Amino acid sequence: DTGVSQNPRHKITKRGQNVTFRCDPISEHNRLYWYRQTLGQGPEFLTYFQNEAQLEKSRLLSDRFSAERPKGSFSTLEIQRTEQGDSAMYLCASSSLKTGRGQQFFGPGTRLTVL
Amino acid sequence: AQKITQTQPGMFVQEKEAVTLDCTYDTSDPSYGLFWYKQPSSGEMIFLIYQGSYDQQNATEGRYSLNFQKARKSANLVISASQLGDSAMYFCAMREPTITQGGSEKLVFGKGTKLTVNP
Repeated sequence: DTGVSQNPRHKITKRGQNVTFRCDPISEHNRLYWYRQTLGQGPEFLTYFQNEAQLEKSRLLSDRFSAERPKGSFSTLEIQRTEQGDSAMYLCASSSLKTGRGQQFFGPGTRLTVL
Repeated sequence: AQKITQTQPGMFVQEKEAVTLDCTYDTSDPSYGLFWYKQPSSGEMIFLIYQGSYDQQNATEGRYSLNFQKARKSANLVISASQLGDSAMYFCAMREPTITQGGSEKLVFGKGTKLTVNP
């Protein structure tokens, strides 16, 4: 039983560059979430997909951020023109109403450092 | 707006002893879910335990139990017989309204408590 996977695990980039992260959820989970976690804080919600549809976006998700989930499987999160304030851990989670209490299963995260 | 408060930035406990991590929440929705997650230094969030607002009994999962006091809006995590491997950050989280109510069921997290288990 494979869990949620995220790639890359670490990304160092220069300010102004574009970066893309990938999340592969648990295969039977139709719901997928992206969160951002900065140092000393709990994760904050960014966006939510149900199957391939992006149904909710946080105000934290500026125009420089875009997320997709083609075919309702894996998801990508792209940040354009990165800024130092984008440095954080980006966590992906998936869930299904058919599993347990609908708890979200998290991936290991992608740690982004913007120089 | 929902809010989760964890007032203990750090806690220390001796191995084999029990420890309680505090969590209070604020919501006007009668239907909600409360979760506790563990985050080791590796970064992955590990689900520990769940309590639904309509559950009659406090949740238990092995060495983890949840002291749910609905009137006080508190959902404290109790870890019994602490082990060295329990040293980690612990986050309390609330699930927003269910999808059938038009919500995404996203989680709102507290700032966490860093637990250190001493040998």
